[in-house]
Amino acid sequence: EVQLVESGGGLVQPGGSLRLSCAASGFTFSHYAMTWVRQAPGKGLEWVSTITGTGVSTYFADSVKGRFTISRDSSKNTLSLQMNSLRADDTAVYYCAKTAPTFYFDSWGQGTLVTVSS
Amino acid sequence: QSVLTQPPSVSAAPGQKVTISCSGTTSNIEKNYVSWYRQVPGTAPKLLIYDNNERPSGIPDRFSGSKSGTSATLGITGLQTGDEADYYCGTWDSSLGAVLFGGGTKLTVL
Repeated sequence: EVQLVESGGGLVQPGGSLRLSCAASGFTFSHYAMTWVRQAPGKGLEWVSTITGTGVSTYFADSVKGRFTISRDSSKNTLSLQMNSLRADDTAVYYCAKTAPTFYFDSWGQGTLVTVSS
Repeated sequence: QSVLTQPPSVSAAPGQKVTISCSGTTSNIEKNYVSWYRQVPGTAPKLLIYDNNERPSGIPDRFSGSKSGTSATLGITGLQTGDEADYYCGTWDSSLGAVLFGGGTKLTVL
């Protein structure tokens, strides 16, 4: 059974940094792209970033480009999202998702809440 | 990035059929596969349809997907009160190099 467990969320001040992690199990982690999707309170889903299975290629939404970095450690089956220069509009629940080649997300974690506020 | 266009809400009676539309452009829906997700507020989204019209194992055949040109549609037949949720479409945009989601549609089963 695929399991994705996010961690690292919390309260951070504007301009601060936070690192999210997603622990994956139940599938061959290195064979799949992985994605972060976020959802602001009361809003819809917003794609944040995707990394390929090899980690060679990464993709970012314009709203986070230059501020967020995505990475993966296949030896630990872990996906990470380094978030810098955080803004109030980054406040959201962040989900990690197992990603198919045609960019659908077949398994999702439970999410971790990031709140950016002074 | 822009979102795909979905109606904010749809409603129908139990046992009836409902469709949810997702409108995009040539660079996203027309050229790429569409997926659909169901989300009960407070929980993680769940995949309903992938590659335009394929159902993952465990998703009943009451749920169907179709695509024509720059639009896609999710159909749900035999509506149940348990189908009440938010539904999202998603796809890749070849011009933007980004994943797009629709704004979401709230389904109410009256």
